[in-house]
Amino acid sequence: GAVVSQHPSRVICKSGTSVKIECRSLDFQATTMFWYRQFPKQSLMLMATSNEGSKATYEQGVEKDKFLINHASLTLSTLTVTSAHPEDSSFYICSARDIAGNQETQYFGPGTRLLVL
Amino acid sequence: RKEVEQDPGPFNVPEGATVAFNCTYSNSASQSFFWYRQDCRKEPKLLMSVYSSGNEDGRFTAQLNRASQYISLLIRDSKLSDSATYLCVVNMANYQLIWGAGTKLIIKP
Repeated sequence: GAVVSQHPSRVICKSGTSVKIECRSLDFQATTMFWYRQFPKQSLMLMATSNEGSKATYEQGVEKDKFLINHASLTLSTLTVTSAHPEDSSFYICSARDIAGNQETQYFGPGTRLLVL
Repeated sequence: RKEVEQDPGPFNVPEGATVAFNCTYSNSASQSFFWYRQDCRKEPKLLMSVYSSGNEDGRFTAQLNRASQYISLLIRDSKLSDSATYLCVVNMANYQLIWGAGTKLIIKP
């Protein structure tokens, strides 16, 4: 099946620093990638939809200036958590839709666990 | 009311038993439905799609009841490796996925 990678897999940072997370589709092209956040024992919450070559679409309540998304190519989207604070500690997961495949299927990256001290 | 609701569990089930859990959704315009499996501290993985006529994949059977707006997952002859959180996912017309919070399943030897 299609493979999506994320880097880094985990990161610990000090409050106030910025953290960049990369999401790559390894063997397919993705015009659309999704960024989710999952707090312990809660469901995945969609943060934003990342569209190649255009601005990301953010869900209600997600600050676009805090969570910067760049989707510069058909295989790479990045999420930057700016001025991270402890409440941003979470599991961040990206997913991608294969433009050539079933549009309903999303392939997930392995996730990035962020801990802000 | 949440858009997608699941019993969080945990369901503690002896190995070999049959277990079933449901998921209800609130939006009647929902287009398609899926069950995902998520192991602890891992990303979700697609288990199976849910079709209107019901579908089976080995020990797993999924059913959809549009009239009552719920989907179900049945696991027969449960294995220790089935222990995980099972996430119900509803796909809206714009391909937006709405996720349930998951049902935790623990299979005991």
